Amino acid sequence: DQQVKQNSPSLSVQEGRISILNCDYTNSMFDYFLWYKKYPAEGPTFLISISSIKDKNEDGRFTVFLNKSAKHLSLHIVPSQPGDSAVYFCARGSYIPTFGRGTSLIVHP
Amino acid sequence: NAGVTQTPKFRILKIGQSMTLQCAQDMNHNYMYWYRQDPGMGLKLIYYSVGAGITDKGEVPNGYNVSRSTTEDFPLRLELAAPSQTSVYFCASSYSPGSGEQYFGPGTRLTVT
Repeated sequence: DQQVKQNSPSLSVQEGRISILNCDYTNSMFDYFLWYKKYPAEGPTFLISISSIKDKNEDGRFTVFLNKSAKHLSLHIVPSQPGDSAVYFCARGSYIPTFGRGTSLIVHP
Repeated sequence: NAGVTQTPKFRILKIGQSMTLQCAQDMNHNYMYWYRQDPGMGLKLIYYSVGAGITDKGEVPNGYNVSRSTTEDFPLRLELAAPSQTSVYFCASSYSPGSGEQYFGPGTRLTVT
């Protein structure tokens, strides 16, 4: 039972434009959601998180939005840069963390 | 700080062989995790630990064992390797299981043939 779902395996965006990565969840009893970024042959690195009591969290070019009624969160990257090309995972924070399958973002120069 | 280190980086095993994947962290984190990532899939939790001497199963524990004798080290043991265990293995640590970000090692790419 996938509790965190990323339904888009890939996304292609032009440099300077907005990238929007989406994540759906099936269980409302989560306190935190986290986004991780992964480059090839490296471990994931933490990007940004959001508490379930918030609707939005912003850190520089990265903003995460949480829509609790739709059980949906999204990561916005503005403006997108070629160095943002990576696989992005959403995850729920828990004693037993659950990760989505990831979305591969390609930002074209 | 070295963060989370993993050894080896690559390994090829024959079916039925055993090996230990090493993981160490120098951040004094109580929480440590082992994941595997198969192609096109997310990270699947194998085992986790909430402190020295305390471990528990994750989503996919079959074929693996762990121990946690110190805060720093969290080795993963593969007994009787099978082709289904071909994967990339990541170790991670965290100061908090919920809100705390996880710090990942660089991974071990394991092939079982």
